[in-house]
Amino acid sequence: AQSVTQPDIHITVSEGASLELRCNYSYGATPYLFWYVQSPGQGLQLLLKYFSGDTLVQGIKGFEAEFKRSQSSFNLRKPSVHWSDAAEYFCAVVPRGNTGFQKLVFGTGTRLLVSP
Amino acid sequence: DTGVSQNPRHKITKRGQNVTFRCDPISEHNRLYWYRQTLGQGPEFLTYFQNEAQLEKSRLLSDRFSAERPKGSFSTLEIQRTEQGDSAMYLCASSLGLSTGELFFGEGSRLTVL
Repeated sequence: AQSVTQPDIHITVSEGASLELRCNYSYGATPYLFWYVQSPGQGLQLLLKYFSGDTLVQGIKGFEAEFKRSQSSFNLRKPSVHWSDAAEYFCAVVPRGNTGFQKLVFGTGTRLLVSP
Repeated sequence: DTGVSQNPRHKITKRGQNVTFRCDPISEHNRLYWYRQTLGQGPEFLTYFQNEAQLEKSRLLSDRFSAERPKGSFSTLEIQRTEQGDSAMYLCASSLGLSTGELFFGEGSRLTVL
């Protein structure tokens, strides 16, 4: 079945430490890949996206993600976490290869907690 | 503020009542989406408009749900005869036609059905 999996429900990282959030997908053809962030009281915001080309993509707020076709993964990383990064992070995909409207499909999210 | 605006932000209602949510998208965006988000889950697609035409509806959108976008600008989502299972955050998003997956979300309307 087609799916987007975020295996970690919660992650706690110390401020200043590095971060990696995992995302795996199961689709016949590599979908378009996205990471969104949902901060308390704010709408979902696009961090970065991957359509094709360079497998390491840069996003806003110092985030990057790496697409690995062999692992069907699109993990989000940040070298040094700030307290303001505490939020919920969603991996999302848009399937490709079909005609017509293709909706954005979200994973279940990973809640990031940042400790002092 | 020129972002996506949703009203009301919070709604508490009794089971069986009707509720309506409004979404004002970014003005130049021709596509508008409704998603639902329950606790511990990612947003789930409900429906999609291109201009005033409703082009896609999820099976999650039962007969009690209706969405409109009468002039291709703002949209409303009405839930009739609410049930406790309708309690969720209802998210509206908008996008330009060619921006695949790049949605701009509002802050959401939280519905609590007692």
